[in-house]
Amino acid sequence: QVQLVQSGAEVKKPGASVKVSCKASGYTFTNYGISWVRQAPGQGLEWMGWSSTNNGNTKYAQNFQGRVTMTTDTSTSTAYVELRSLRSDDTAVYYCARGGDYGFATVDIWGQGTMVTVSS
Amino acid sequence: QAVLTQPSSLSASPGASASLTCTLHSGINVGTYRIYWYQQKPGSPPQYLLRYKSDSDKQQGSGVPSRFSGSKDASANAGILLISGLQSDDEADYYCMIWHSSAWVFGGGTKLTVL
Repeated sequence: QVQLVQSGAEVKKPGASVKVSCKASGYTFTNYGISWVRQAPGQGLEWMGWSSTNNGNTKYAQNFQGRVTMTTDTSTSTAYVELRSLRSDDTAVYYCARGGDYGFATVDIWGQGTMVTVSS
Repeated sequence: QAVLTQPSSLSASPGASASLTCTLHSGINVGTYRIYWYQQKPGSPPQYLLRYKSDSDKQQGSGVPSRFSGSKDASANAGILLISGLQSDDEADYYCMIWHSSAWVFGGGTKLTVL
């Protein structure tokens, strides 16, 4: 079945970086982009950006410009998001999701989420 | 004013219908947007329910029951998620989303209580 499996929980200190992975299976990886969404504890959903899986194109939300990098590895059907200069308010569950390409493709299948805790 | 505004909570009885609204900023027209709806239960990722722009441009998520449906209220500049025949399992947070100014934008979410 179609699924996205994310890497495990992370604990980081302020100022550090974190890289979360998202491995896709059950569909042709390069047919859909990967979007990243985060959710702070008890809060709503926040879109971080989107990455193409076939041409390297990316689109980042303004709030994360300069601090985030999204990449994909077609050889392993895995997407990555790296967030740098972490702050305490980056503490959140980070989700990858299939789709979102150019604002047209439906964001339909979601990973299980990765908890990132930023604390000194 | 936020791009998308949702009531923070809504309560309804089992078997009844619930209408969840997603109001767009007054500067943008609901008629031009596809509105996506997601359900999220505690401790779980969001699940895609459906997409609605018009009766000729809509999509039901895979395996999503037909008692979940989308519509719009142009006079209120809002998208609507209608859940009929409410069940206790429908108790969850519901989020709307649109593509606006080259970004995906979420509403703040509505907590639906079925009691």
